[in-house]
Amino acid sequence: GAGVSQSPSNKVTEKGKDVELRCDPISGHTALYWYRQSLGQGLEFLIYFQGNSAPDKSGLPSDRFSAERTGGSVSTLTIQRTQQEDSAVYLCASSPRGQAFFGQGTRLTVV
Amino acid sequence: QKEVEQDPGPLSVPEGAIVSLNCTYSNSAFQYFMWYRQYSRKGPELLMYTYSSGNKEDGRFTAQVDKSSKYISLFIRDSQPSDSATYLCAMSAEQAGTALIFGKGTTLSVSS
Repeated sequence: GAGVSQSPSNKVTEKGKDVELRCDPISGHTALYWYRQSLGQGLEFLIYFQGNSAPDKSGLPSDRFSAERTGGSVSTLTIQRTQQEDSAVYLCASSPRGQAFFGQGTRLTVV
Repeated sequence: QKEVEQDPGPLSVPEGAIVSLNCTYSNSAFQYFMWYRQYSRKGPELLMYTYSSGNKEDGRFTAQVDKSSKYISLFIRDSQPSDSATYLCAMSAEQAGTALIFGKGTTLSVSS
């Protein structure tokens, strides 16, 4: 496909379980972002990958959150020991430079 | 003071009206400015992308950047019901190498 692809589109998990969210960026885009959007809120920056540089993890809210990007392409955001406050839409975006293109997001619900 | 301020609205206008959406920011290092449109339960869609100060026009949309005032605007001419969405401004200091910082978004409703 031509756009950013995220999976799953929806995820319901029990409190305390770990979840993995996947992002397939647009081919050739060197930058990849993860954002979180809670209901009625703006986009909260989580982590940013640029090429082979060390990722900018300054937005990760706690050490339960981690992300990796393999081979400069696919990225996985992992949330360990999920809490109810983790419920949100997790958005991934990729960028050739500057402007970012978003996927449709993964809606995470922690029950 | 937050880095990017955006009035959340909601903003309601009749079809055909001119809409003005605005953001202010505090970081003078920002050089790249974007506007996104987000429909309910969808990802943000890039509308406009501008560098530094000036105007950019694309169809019914015009983006303006005033770096001296740290103020950006998006104008929508001849607004349509299909323009009803949340509009998010975003900005960054470098073309690549820093995260995009978003405003909280303005919810627009255009009535027919």
